[in-house]
Amino acid sequence: EVQLVESGGGLVQPGGSLRLSCAASGFTFSRCSIHWVRQAPGKGLEYVSAIGTADDTYYANSVKGRFTISRDNSKNMLYLQMGSLRAEDMAVYYCARERAGSNHGDYDHWGQGTLVTVSS
Amino acid sequence: QSVLTQPPSVSGAPGQRVTISCTGSSSNIGAGYDVHWYQQPPGTAPKVLIYDNINRPSGVPDRFSGSKSGTSASLAITGLQADDEADYYCQSYDKSLSARVFGGGTKLTVL
Repeated sequence: EVQLVESGGGLVQPGGSLRLSCAASGFTFSRCSIHWVRQAPGKGLEYVSAIGTADDTYYANSVKGRFTISRDNSKNMLYLQMGSLRAEDMAVYYCARERAGSNHGDYDHWGQGTLVTVSS
Repeated sequence: QSVLTQPPSVSGAPGQRVTISCTGSSSNIGAGYDVHWYQQPPGTAPKVLIYDNINRPSGVPDRFSGSKSGTSASLAITGLQADDEADYYCQSYDKSLSARVFGGGTKLTVL
């Protein structure tokens, strides 16, 4: 069974940093592109970042230069290092798997999400 | 101000049919990028309903169907049931932004 389990969320002050993790299991992690998608309280879904199988990385304009995505295929782990956090970064952060073999495909599996609160 | 535009809400009685539209532009849907649809019941993570415009993952009832034409796409739900109450999102890729984009979401209420 495919599982994605996020962790690392919490309360952080504006300007602070936080690292999110996503533990993957049930599939060949190294062969899949994995994304971060966030959802602010009461709002819609927003793409944040993605990492491909060749460690190619992609970012939404809203987080470029502040967030860094990375992966450790030996541990089946995905990370999101978030810096210079702003109030508007407050959201539930989901890791999501891109459907294998697709180009700009859908997210066929999602984690349960981890909440990041940015407040002084 | 989402790149893809969805109606904020739709409603229907049990057993009825509803459709949810997703309007984009020549930079995303109109450029030929596929549209995907997600269902998100309250307090849960999203789940894919339709991928690549028309395909249903295994386990998704055939009451859900997708279509795409020009710069728009639609999700149709027939035989509405109470547990269809959820938020629905469309998603595609935008070549100008070089990023995945979502619609603002549509809240479905079953009357």
